[in-house]
Amino acid sequence: DAKTTQPPSMDCAEGRAANLPCNHSTISGNEYVYWYRQIHSQGPQYIIHGLKNNETNEMASLIITEDRKSSTLILPHATLRDTAVYYCMVLSGSARQLTFGSGTQLTVLP
Amino acid sequence: DGGITQSPKYLFRKEGQNVTLSCEQNLNHDAMYWYRQDPGQGLRLIYYSQIVNDFQKGDIAEGYSVSREKKESFPLTVTSAQKNPTAFYLCASREATSYNEQFFGPGTRLTVL
Repeated sequence: DAKTTQPPSMDCAEGRAANLPCNHSTISGNEYVYWYRQIHSQGPQYIIHGLKNNETNEMASLIITEDRKSSTLILPHATLRDTAVYYCMVLSGSARQLTFGSGTQLTVLP
Repeated sequence: DGGITQSPKYLFRKEGQNVTLSCEQNLNHDAMYWYRQDPGQGLRLIYYSQIVNDFQKGDIAEGYSVSREKKESFPLTVTSAQKNPTAFYLCASREATSYNEQFFGPGTRLTVL
């Protein structure tokens, strides 16, 4: 599975959009981009995934560049409860496991 | 409500004792997973099971054992052979067709004294 690079930490003002970047320059054609988040001392929570088209659900939007070498997770109106570590992963459909890196610590400030 | 239950949330054991962590799911998921998380680190896969009576080692299986006798249950035993067992343990499950959308339990924090 391809390796991802994320900034270790980011801050965002409450009510503003949080844009979390992820680089995955070695992604292959059959690999999906997945995002999970983990609030302190809880189990991770699935957020969204995509292959090449932009995706949106009730939690977030995922924007994948045309060359698929990077993506951005967007939380449109961040709240204090969105403070968490956000993990970006790239996985093939046949992958047997999730591969968690260090993620990005997002802190939403009041 | 459907979900994954892990018990207990906090567990203390003396060094040299085996301990079994419980994981139960009522989501009718086929695949189940055990992960370990150390402070400030990402999750690492210990064992996973795709179907009943079958399981495979993950990246850090040494010192651990599992069983999958029922679809809804996937207990993890931390044996005395595990050199550094103090950690946060997370169980997860997924539907057979959902690829990598895993649902996680609340976790068990194990401290070995």
